[in-house]
Amino acid sequence: GAVVSQHPSWVICKSGTSVKIECRSLDFQATTMFWYRQFPKQSLMLMATSNEGSKATYEQGVEKDKFLINHASLTLSTLTVTSAHPEDSSFYICSARGLADSYYNEQFFGPGTRLTVL
Amino acid sequence: DAKTTQPTSMDCAEGRAANLPCNHSTISGNEYVYWYRQIHSQGPQYIIHGLKNNETNEMASLIITEDRKSSTLILPHATLRDTAVYYCIVRTGGTSYGKLTFGQGTILTVHP
Repeated sequence: GAVVSQHPSWVICKSGTSVKIECRSLDFQATTMFWYRQFPKQSLMLMATSNEGSKATYEQGVEKDKFLINHASLTLSTLTVTSAHPEDSSFYICSARGLADSYYNEQFFGPGTRLTVL
Repeated sequence: DAKTTQPTSMDCAEGRAANLPCNHSTISGNEYVYWYRQIHSQGPQYIIHGLKNNETNEMASLIITEDRKSSTLILPHATLRDTAVYYCIVRTGGTSYGKLTFGQGTILTVHP
């Protein structure tokens, strides 16, 4: 149980285009989803936290107009990188947490999406 | 949430126990100790967590000192596939769920 998937696993795009990354909880309902970013040889950095049906809460220094997060259902969250630039190239990882007082009330991570902006 | 301190890297021979230490001297009474690992180019994988008692599951054992200021993750019989970055994280749990904040972790290399 507790499987989180991401799509695509990797994407290459041109500078100035927008890219959407999907995160799905396959066998549980995710009341909260998290988006992390990881640059080479660095640790994961939390970008934002979203609760289903609510606006995302962004960490300090993360541009909410550039990284659009939608958590419209209990099994799906999307991260859209708008007007992507080479400095946005990174490994994006989502995490999902299920209902309180259940086995799924922990953070389970997806496999990550490698974004390369040319 | 309290910060943690881990060694930058460790080596272990295949088949031997890997003992990964973590210091969390500022941990609060309601904070749990979590361990995750990240194999290269993959998402983090949950290993184990505990509050004050020692814990064991099919992957590892977690030993927490009585004063809770430090802990040790034990992989009883390390294999080459255990080579990864191991993160020790302290956060609030239960109904006051805190965010998982990742530090630099320990790079564990298991060699033949």
